[in-house]
Amino acid sequence: EAGVTQFPSHSVIEKGQTVTLRCDPISGHDNLYWYRRVMGKEIKFLLHFVKESKQDESGMPNNRFLAERTGGTYSTLKVQPAELEDSGVYFCASSQDPHTGTLHFGNGTRLTVT
Amino acid sequence: QKEVEQDPGPLSVPEGAIVSLNCTYSNSAFQYFMWYRQYSRKGPELLMYTYSSGNKEDGRFTAQVDKSSKYISLFIRDSQPSDSATYLCAISYGQNFVFGPGTRLSVLP
Repeated sequence: EAGVTQFPSHSVIEKGQTVTLRCDPISGHDNLYWYRRVMGKEIKFLLHFVKESKQDESGMPNNRFLAERTGGTYSTLKVQPAELEDSGVYFCASSQDPHTGTLHFGNGTRLTVT
Repeated sequence: QKEVEQDPGPLSVPEGAIVSLNCTYSNSAFQYFMWYRQYSRKGPELLMYTYSSGNKEDGRFTAQVDKSSKYISLFIRDSQPSDSATYLCAISYGQNFVFGPGTRLSVLP
């Protein structure tokens, strides 16, 4: 089966610009998660979709971040306007049954805000 | 206090050594305990998971959970240079996952 794919793999933008990250989960996985890893820190939860619905968005840092999952398939995470502290690696993960602990991660999008 | 604590390393061992990686956690509500391996520029991949105290073995890897002490461990026997990666412990309750910062391991040939 194809894995979780994310693009772009890298993005360098200036402060104040907008960036949209995309995640294509494994086909059939209803659960989709976004995580972020800031340099030197642990992977932090951002939000969790079940199909097209936001199950938990308690990790979203502020209203500059907007996540969508149209039709319960791929998801986008938009940052507008980007700030310096938004730099990091953004991971997407999908799961058929998160209760088993099985999260399948993409390779991440490395975002640099200058 | 962080929910999951893990020594970030780096940890360097010679090939063939036994490696011990550890995490502690604070929330007794956690139900599932996992170890993920992450190679450079890749996403984490699940190595092992367990939901009870005790040991679980898979090839050269053994995961150990002690719920009374809120302590989890991963042992790697006969370590290989290909085991060089960052190892993340992760703990979940319901559909929520909390990750440790990861321990960077280098196995030297």
